[in-house]
Amino acid sequence: KQEVTQIPAALSVPEGENLVLNCSFTDSAIYNLQWFRQDPGKGLTSLLLIQSSQREQTSGRLNASLDKSSGRSTLYIAASQPGDSATYLCAVVGGATNKLIFGTGTLLAVQP
Amino acid sequence: DGGITQSPKYLFRKEGQNVTLSCEQNLNHDAMYWYRQDPGQGLRLIYYSQIVNDFQKGDIAEGYSVSREKKESFPLTVTSAQKNPTAFYLCASSWGGSTEAFFGQGTRLTVV
Repeated sequence: KQEVTQIPAALSVPEGENLVLNCSFTDSAIYNLQWFRQDPGKGLTSLLLIQSSQREQTSGRLNASLDKSSGRSTLYIAASQPGDSATYLCAVVGGATNKLIFGTGTLLAVQP
Repeated sequence: DGGITQSPKYLFRKEGQNVTLSCEQNLNHDAMYWYRQDPGQGLRLIYYSQIVNDFQKGDIAEGYSVSREKKESFPLTVTSAQKNPTAFYLCASSWGGSTEAFFGQGTRLTVV
């Protein structure tokens, strides 16, 4: 059974710092991996989608990498801002069912 | 504006009542999903549907029911058999396969 883990569970950094969020999964047979952002009491906003054949994706200050063989993904946030404060979730899709399986998230606080 | 609309935003249920949460999408997506989010537990899959008139149980389907009579609609009924229904419910959709998933803004259900 696929399990997804995110470390750390919470992170607090000063504004302007570069940071890395980690996501690991136990079954490397995935179709894709998706990173989401969730603000308190809100739905999920898709940040980046990495297909299984890709190594990384970039959008603005965000860069996500994927190493399928080791079961790991990282989300790199450059020059963090207070507006980046949110919970970041990763999810993998694998098998014929197209189900997203989520990690429990990393709560990020960027201090001004 | 394309997207996923969940309603209502807040819902209160009395003991023994069935309630229905609405999810509508105008993205022409084939696949739709219902997730439940509890503090500290991440998102857990309740039901999913990959095509009209077909749906499958997720990891925590007991006490819930769904229908998929139209491509754009995937309502979730929380029945009286669900003993702990207080949670944040999220609906998502995608083209299926290895494609990006999009989420609605969620419905917060509280038992009173």
